[in-house]
Amino acid sequence: EADIYQTPRYLVIGTGKKITLECSQTMGHDKMYWYQQDPGMELHLIHYSYGVNSTEKGDLSSESTVSRIRTEHFPLTLESARPSHTSQYLCASSTGSGNTIYFGEGSWLTVV
Amino acid sequence: QQQVKQSPQSLIVQKGGISIINCAYENTAFDYFPWYQQFPGKGPALLIAIRPDVSEKKEGRFTISFNKSAKQFSLHIMDSQPGDSATYFCAASNNRNYQLIWGAGTKLIIKP
Repeated sequence: EADIYQTPRYLVIGTGKKITLECSQTMGHDKMYWYQQDPGMELHLIHYSYGVNSTEKGDLSSESTVSRIRTEHFPLTLESARPSHTSQYLCASSTGSGNTIYFGEGSWLTVV
Repeated sequence: QQQVKQSPQSLIVQKGGISIINCAYENTAFDYFPWYQQFPGKGPALLIAIRPDVSEKKEGRFTISFNKSAKQFSLHIMDSQPGDSATYFCAASNNRNYQLIWGAGTKLIIKP
Protein backbone atom coordinates (compact mmCIF):
# COMPACT_ATOMS: atom_id res chain seq x y z
CA GLU A 1 0.00 0.00 0.00
CA ALA A 2 1.48 3.31 -1.10
CA ASP A 3 1.64 6.23 1.32
CA ILE A 4 0.48 9.08 -0.86
CA TYR A 5 -2.25 11.36 0.35
CA GLN A 6 -4.45 13.85 -1.44
CA THR A 7 -6.72 16.49 0.05
CA PRO A 8 -9.45 17.41 -0.43
CA ARG A 9 -10.97 14.23 -1.86
CA TYR A 10 -14.03 16.10 -3.09
CA LEU A 11 -14.45 19.82 -3.74
CA VAL A 12 -17.22 21.91 -5.26
CA ILE A 13 -16.30 25.52 -5.89
CA GLY A 14 -17.60 28.50 -7.81
CA THR A 15 -16.15 29.85 -11.04
CA GLY A 16 -13.26 32.24 -10.54
CA LYS A 17 -12.19 30.85 -7.19
CA LYS A 18 -8.59 29.94 -6.43
CA ILE A 19 -8.00 26.40 -5.25
CA THR A 20 -5.02 24.32 -4.18
CA LEU A 21 -5.03 20.54 -4.26
CA GLU A 22 -2.62 19.09 -1.74
CA CYS A 23 -0.47 16.00 -2.28
CA SER A 24 1.97 14.46 0.17
CA GLN A 25 3.98 11.25 0.12
CA THR A 26 5.92 9.68 2.95
CA MET A 27 8.04 7.32 0.86
CA GLY A 28 10.87 9.77 0.13
CA HIS A 29 10.27 9.48 -3.61
CA ASP A 30 12.13 11.92 -5.84
CA LYS A 31 9.60 11.96 -8.66
CA MET A 32 6.07 13.23 -8.35
CA TYR A 33 3.29 13.66 -10.89
CA TRP A 34 -0.13 15.16 -11.41
CA TYR A 35 -2.55 13.45 -13.77
CA GLN A 36 -5.98 14.60 -14.90
CA GLN A 37 -8.60 11.94 -15.55
CA ASP A 38 -12.26 12.17 -16.45
CA PRO A 39 -14.29 9.23 -15.05
CA GLY A 40 -13.20 5.97 -16.66
CA MET A 41 -11.15 7.76 -19.26
CA GLU A 42 -7.48 8.17 -20.18
CA LEU A 43 -4.79 9.40 -17.82
CA HIS A 44 -3.32 12.73 -18.91
CA LEU A 45 -0.02 13.90 -17.39
CA ILE A 46 -0.28 17.61 -16.61
CA HIS A 47 2.77 18.23 -14.38
CA TYR A 48 5.76 16.35 -13.06
CA SER A 49 8.76 16.95 -10.83
CA TYR A 50 12.04 15.07 -10.60
CA GLY A 51 13.03 16.67 -7.31
CA VAL A 52 12.95 19.78 -5.14
CA ASN A 53 12.71 23.02 -7.16
CA SER A 54 12.15 20.99 -10.35
CA THR A 55 8.79 21.19 -12.15
CA GLU A 56 7.84 20.48 -15.75
CA LYS A 57 4.64 20.61 -17.76
CA GLY A 58 3.23 17.33 -18.97
CA ASP A 59 1.66 16.25 -22.22
CA LEU A 60 -1.72 17.87 -21.59
CA SER A 61 -1.78 21.64 -21.43
CA SER A 62 -3.17 22.83 -18.12
CA GLU A 63 -3.85 26.23 -16.61
CA SER A 64 -2.80 24.89 -13.22
CA THR A 65 0.61 25.46 -11.63
CA VAL A 66 2.66 23.33 -9.24
CA SER A 67 5.51 23.80 -6.81
CA ARG A 68 8.02 21.44 -5.20
CA ILE A 69 9.63 23.13 -2.22
CA ARG A 70 9.85 19.94 -0.16
CA THR A 71 10.46 16.38 -1.36
CA GLU A 72 7.27 15.08 0.18
CA HIS A 73 4.91 17.84 -0.94
CA PHE A 74 3.63 18.64 -4.47
CA PRO A 75 0.62 20.96 -4.43
CA LEU A 76 -1.37 21.93 -7.53
CA THR A 77 -3.00 25.37 -7.78
CA LEU A 78 -5.68 26.78 -10.03
CA GLU A 79 -5.71 30.58 -9.82
CA SER A 80 -9.17 30.99 -11.33
CA ALA A 81 -11.28 27.85 -11.62
CA ARG A 82 -13.62 27.34 -14.57
CA PRO A 83 -16.24 24.65 -15.29
CA SER A 84 -13.83 23.15 -17.86
CA HIS A 85 -11.52 22.31 -14.94
CA THR A 86 -14.09 19.88 -13.55
CA SER A 87 -12.30 16.53 -13.41
CA GLN A 88 -10.45 14.09 -11.19
CA TYR A 89 -6.86 15.01 -10.35
CA LEU A 90 -4.53 12.17 -9.40
CA CYS A 91 -1.21 12.70 -7.65
CA ALA A 92 1.49 10.05 -7.97
CA SER A 93 5.11 9.41 -7.06
CA SER A 94 7.97 7.07 -7.95
CA THR A 95 11.54 6.41 -6.91
CA GLY A 96 14.47 7.91 -8.79
CA SER A 97 15.40 4.67 -10.51
CA GLY A 98 12.12 2.81 -10.43
CA ASN A 99 9.38 2.62 -12.99
CA THR A 100 6.57 1.81 -10.57
CA ILE A 101 4.26 4.76 -10.03
CA TYR A 102 2.17 4.92 -6.87
CA PHE A 103 -1.07 6.87 -7.05
CA GLY A 104 -3.13 8.67 -4.45
CA GLU A 105 -6.88 8.17 -4.37
CA GLY A 106 -7.55 11.35 -6.30
CA SER A 107 -9.21 14.72 -5.78
CA TRP A 108 -12.56 15.21 -7.46
CA LEU A 109 -13.04 18.85 -8.46
CA THR A 110 -16.36 20.27 -9.60
CA VAL A 111 -16.50 23.91 -10.70
CA VAL A 112 -19.99 25.39 -10.88
CA GLN B 1 6.25 6.74 -31.98
CA GLN B 2 5.42 7.53 -28.38
CA GLN B 3 1.92 6.06 -28.45
CA VAL B 4 0.68 2.93 -26.80
CA LYS B 5 -2.51 1.64 -28.42
CA GLN B 6 -4.83 -0.38 -26.21
CA SER B 7 -7.84 -2.48 -27.18
CA PRO B 8 -10.64 -3.17 -26.65
CA GLN B 9 -12.10 -0.05 -25.07
CA SER B 10 -14.55 -2.17 -23.10
CA LEU B 11 -14.94 -5.88 -22.46
CA ILE B 12 -17.64 -8.05 -20.91
CA VAL B 13 -16.66 -11.55 -19.79
CA GLN B 14 -18.61 -14.24 -18.00
CA LYS B 15 -17.43 -15.31 -14.56
CA GLY B 16 -14.83 -18.03 -14.92
CA GLY B 17 -13.86 -16.98 -18.42
CA ILE B 18 -10.58 -15.56 -19.76
CA SER B 19 -10.24 -11.79 -20.16
CA ILE B 20 -7.72 -10.62 -22.75
CA ILE B 21 -6.61 -7.02 -23.24
CA ASN B 22 -4.08 -6.04 -25.88
CA CYS B 23 -1.57 -3.25 -26.30
CA ALA B 24 0.77 -2.29 -29.14
CA TYR B 25 3.67 0.13 -29.25
CA GLU B 26 6.03 1.62 -31.83
CA ASN B 27 9.03 2.87 -29.88
CA THR B 28 11.64 0.09 -29.73
CA ALA B 29 13.42 1.94 -26.92
CA PHE B 30 10.65 0.96 -24.52
CA ASP B 31 11.92 -1.63 -22.05
CA TYR B 32 9.32 -1.74 -19.29
CA PHE B 33 5.66 -2.66 -19.75
CA PRO B 34 3.35 -2.47 -16.73
CA TRP B 35 -0.35 -3.03 -16.34
CA TYR B 36 -2.33 -0.98 -13.84
CA GLN B 37 -5.74 -1.75 -12.38
CA GLN B 38 -8.13 1.01 -11.34
CA PHE B 39 -11.33 0.57 -9.36
CA PRO B 40 -14.00 3.30 -9.38
CA GLY B 41 -13.11 6.16 -7.05
CA LYS B 42 -9.52 4.97 -6.60
CA GLY B 43 -6.18 5.72 -8.19
CA PRO B 44 -4.59 3.12 -10.47
CA ALA B 45 -2.38 0.49 -8.84
CA LEU B 46 0.36 -1.62 -10.38
CA LEU B 47 -0.92 -5.10 -11.19
CA ILE B 48 1.94 -6.78 -13.04
CA ALA B 49 4.85 -5.71 -15.23
CA ILE B 50 7.28 -7.27 -17.71
CA ARG B 51 10.60 -6.45 -19.34
CA PRO B 52 11.37 -7.51 -22.94
CA ASP B 53 13.91 -10.18 -21.98
CA VAL B 54 11.05 -12.60 -21.22
CA SER B 55 8.02 -13.55 -23.28
CA GLU B 56 5.65 -14.25 -20.42
CA LYS B 57 5.17 -13.39 -16.77
CA LYS B 58 2.55 -14.92 -14.52
CA GLU B 59 1.31 -13.80 -11.12
CA GLY B 60 -1.61 -15.82 -9.85
CA ARG B 61 -4.48 -15.51 -12.33
CA PHE B 62 -2.79 -12.63 -14.20
CA THR B 63 -0.37 -13.22 -17.08
CA ILE B 64 1.44 -10.80 -19.37
CA SER B 65 2.36 -12.17 -22.80
CA PHE B 66 5.02 -10.18 -24.64
CA ASN B 67 5.85 -10.36 -28.36
CA LYS B 68 8.93 -8.27 -29.03
CA SER B 69 8.98 -8.75 -32.81
CA ALA B 70 5.34 -7.71 -33.14
CA LYS B 71 5.75 -4.94 -30.56
CA GLN B 72 2.69 -6.15 -28.72
CA PHE B 73 1.88 -7.22 -25.18
CA SER B 74 -1.30 -8.46 -23.61
CA LEU B 75 -2.88 -9.09 -20.24
CA HIS B 76 -4.69 -12.36 -19.65
CA ILE B 77 -6.94 -12.83 -16.64
CA MET B 78 -7.74 -16.48 -16.07
CA ASP B 79 -10.88 -17.60 -14.21
CA SER B 80 -12.18 -14.01 -14.26
CA GLN B 81 -14.12 -12.98 -11.15
CA PRO B 82 -16.62 -10.16 -10.53
CA GLY B 83 -14.00 -8.57 -8.27
CA ASP B 84 -11.78 -8.18 -11.34
CA SER B 85 -14.26 -5.66 -12.78
CA ALA B 86 -12.19 -2.51 -13.15
CA THR B 87 -10.45 -0.33 -15.72
CA TYR B 88 -7.10 -1.68 -16.87
CA PHE B 89 -4.32 0.48 -18.30
CA CYS B 90 -1.24 -0.71 -20.11
CA ALA B 91 1.84 1.51 -20.25
CA ALA B 92 5.41 1.57 -21.49
CA SER B 93 8.59 3.40 -20.61
CA ASN B 94 12.32 3.40 -21.30
CA ASN B 95 15.26 3.52 -18.92
CA ARG B 96 16.31 6.99 -20.00
CA ASN B 97 13.54 9.07 -18.52
CA TYR B 98 11.21 6.51 -16.93
CA GLN B 99 8.26 8.53 -18.25
CA LEU B 100 5.28 6.20 -18.59
CA ILE B 101 3.30 6.36 -21.83
CA TRP B 102 -0.24 5.18 -21.12
CA GLY B 103 -2.78 3.27 -23.14
CA ALA B 104 -6.33 4.63 -23.23
CA GLY B 105 -7.71 2.04 -20.81
CA THR B 106 -10.10 -0.92 -21.00
CA LYS B 107 -13.21 -1.10 -18.89
CA LEU B 108 -13.66 -4.75 -17.91
CA ILE B 109 -16.96 -6.07 -16.58
CA ILE B 110 -17.17 -9.63 -15.29
CA LYS B 111 -20.76 -10.91 -15.29
CA PRO B 112 -21.70 -13.27 -12.43
